[in-house]
Amino acid sequence: KAGVTQTPRYLIKTRGQQVTLSCSPISGHRSVSWYQQTPGQGLQFLFEYFSETQRNKGNFPGRFSGRQFSNSRSEMNVSTLELGDSALYLCASSPLGQGIMANVLTFGAGSRLTVL
Amino acid sequence: QQPVQSPQAVILREGEDAVINCSSSKALYSVHWYRQKHGEAPVFLMILLKGGEQKGHDKISASFNEKKQQSSLYLTASQLSYSGTYFCGTESNSGNTPLVFGKGTRLSVIA
Repeated sequence: KAGVTQTPRYLIKTRGQQVTLSCSPISGHRSVSWYQQTPGQGLQFLFEYFSETQRNKGNFPGRFSGRQFSNSRSEMNVSTLELGDSALYLCASSPLGQGIMANVLTFGAGSRLTVL
Repeated sequence: QQPVQSPQAVILREGEDAVINCSSSKALYSVHWYRQKHGEAPVFLMILLKGGEQKGHDKISASFNEKKQQSSLYLTASQLSYSGTYFCGTESNSGNTPLVFGKGTRLSVIA
């Protein structure tokens, strides 16, 4: 069973540009969540999508947006990049539904964004 | 609110034990524990539901004190492979809220 795939793995942008990150969840997983990881801050929740609908949203500015497609693949976009947006962006999928494991996350390797 | 983890970092020699704590100010439905090795994705270790049940996974176990809204991760007879950053993730309501993670505890096991 293939894991969560994120592309690109590394990218460098300059301030003011925009970026789009992609995530393919584990087959059969219907929920996709995005987290931002920076040194010392842990994993900060960005948003969660389920059935092409945003189910939850974290406390990030409107420059951060996302979407989910009918095949459960998800993208997140950051517009007007700032230096502080440099981080590892992690995507995670979960099966949802019933059972104790419904909300357990399987993470991708992440997309490391550097903003210059 | 982000759960609070302690300690922030710990160094152990092989064979020693460690305890990592995770506290929340909110009533919790579940606590998840993940480990992230350097340069890798976080990996799920175990989940605990409210009810105080203790779970185990090899020499790593955890407990959940519902009254205190606190979970503890116990690592016994540590091995070099235990090195990494441990995160607790808390869930407030069943399936309706996202996992909120603590800032992590960096564990280094040395020979």
